[in-house]
Parts: sequence; C-alpha cells; structure tokens
Amino acid sequence: EAQVTQNPRYLITVTGKKLTVTCSQNMNHEYMSWYRQDPGLGLRQIYYSMNVEVTDKGDVPEGYKVSRKEKRNFPLILESPSPNQTSLYFCASSLKGDYGYTFGSGTRLTVV
Amino acid sequence: AQSVTQLDSQVPVFEEAPVELRCNYSSSVSVYLFWYVQYPNQGLQLLLKYLSGSTLVKGINGFEAEFNKSQTSFHLRKPSVHISDTAEYFCASVTSGSRLTFGEGTQLTVNP
Repeated sequence: EAQVTQNPRYLITVTGKKLTVTCSQNMNHEYMSWYRQDPGLGLRQIYYSMNVEVTDKGDVPEGYKVSRKEKRNFPLILESPSPNQTSLYFCASSLKGDYGYTFGSGTRLTVV
Repeated sequence: AQSVTQLDSQVPVFEEAPVELRCNYSSSVSVYLFWYVQYPNQGLQLLLKYLSGSTLVKGINGFEAEFNKSQTSFHLRKPSVHISDTAEYFCASVTSGSRLTFGEGTQLTVNP
C-alpha cells in the first residue's frame, strides 16, 4: 500500500531531551515536507526537501533539523525540545511536478 | 505572506443541503491549487487539485471546485452533503519550488 509512515504516533518528552520523528514513504517521491499543526494557526511548513541531500527551510524552521540521506526517509530532529514545540506534526511526500502530497497520520508531540 | 485565504472559519449546514467553502488565492503565486480534508484525529487527504486545463475540477467524495482566474478564487462545492462530510477542509497552493502552503482551514459541520 502506498503510504507515508511516521513514528511515533504519540510522544511525551521533557525539555531539552533530543528526539527524532521518523518519516518514510514507499512511493519513490522526490518531494518531502514537514508541517506542524496548531489550533488557530493552521498548518505551517517546517522544512522541505526536493530530493536527496536537498533541503530548505519552510516558514517555522527554528528549533528543528532535517536530513535527506535517502530518498524514502526524511527524519525531523529536535535537538533541544521546548514546550512551544508541543504540536501535531505531519510528514508529506509528492512526486516531482505533481504536488498532490500524501500525508502521514501525524505525530502528536508533547514537551513538558 | 498568505498565498491562499479561506473566507469562512466555520460552515454549519444541514444534511443533504448544498455547500460551498470559499478560497481566494494571491494572484502573484503560481496557480497550482488544492483542497485537502482532515477528518478528526486523522491526517490530511487530497480531495482535488488544479494544475492546468479545465477550470472545473472534480474530486473524491462528490466534491468539485472551480478555478476562477478573474476572481482569483478556487471555491469547493458539493451539491448534497452527508453527516460523514463533517471535517476540516484546507485550501492550499504551491508557491516557489515544491512548497505547499495552506489556508487557515474551514470547519464544515453537517447537522442532521
């Protein structure tokens, strides 16, 4: 089944403890993105990648890192999480030129 | 700057009534436009997209949208809604490169 898989689905962590949210797609898509969704703010892009080793900042990149070493994987790294990063995170992927992004099921992160 | 603007944050309708969810886009951006739906506690699902060609786009679940260049609009319509259409709907556009940016969302609530 064609899909974008995020792990974990739920995560509660403490301030400052490094964490990684994984994202993997099995559709050979070139484009991948990370979004966060917050009440009243909608979906905001954190980082995006147009291909392996090509990444760029979105609208809210502060406090996040990404890497794209393989086409299928696009992990989101929080080196020192803070409570304002408590949010619902989505990974998405798309074929180059198609733009019809497929979204993962989301990761609900709580930083205490 | 916001690329798309959704004009209604909440739209309540009765079952079997028609519905229109409104979206205006910035004329300075590329005219790749999308509608996504998010059911409670789920990820986003692509309803339909406009990249080029016919201005009337048909999507899944009986939804359609019309690209109107003169009014810079991309409104989503359904002639008869069901309870199961209750969800949040997002209009989106592709800006520079592969960047997909979203409107603020419209909560559609279908009442019996």
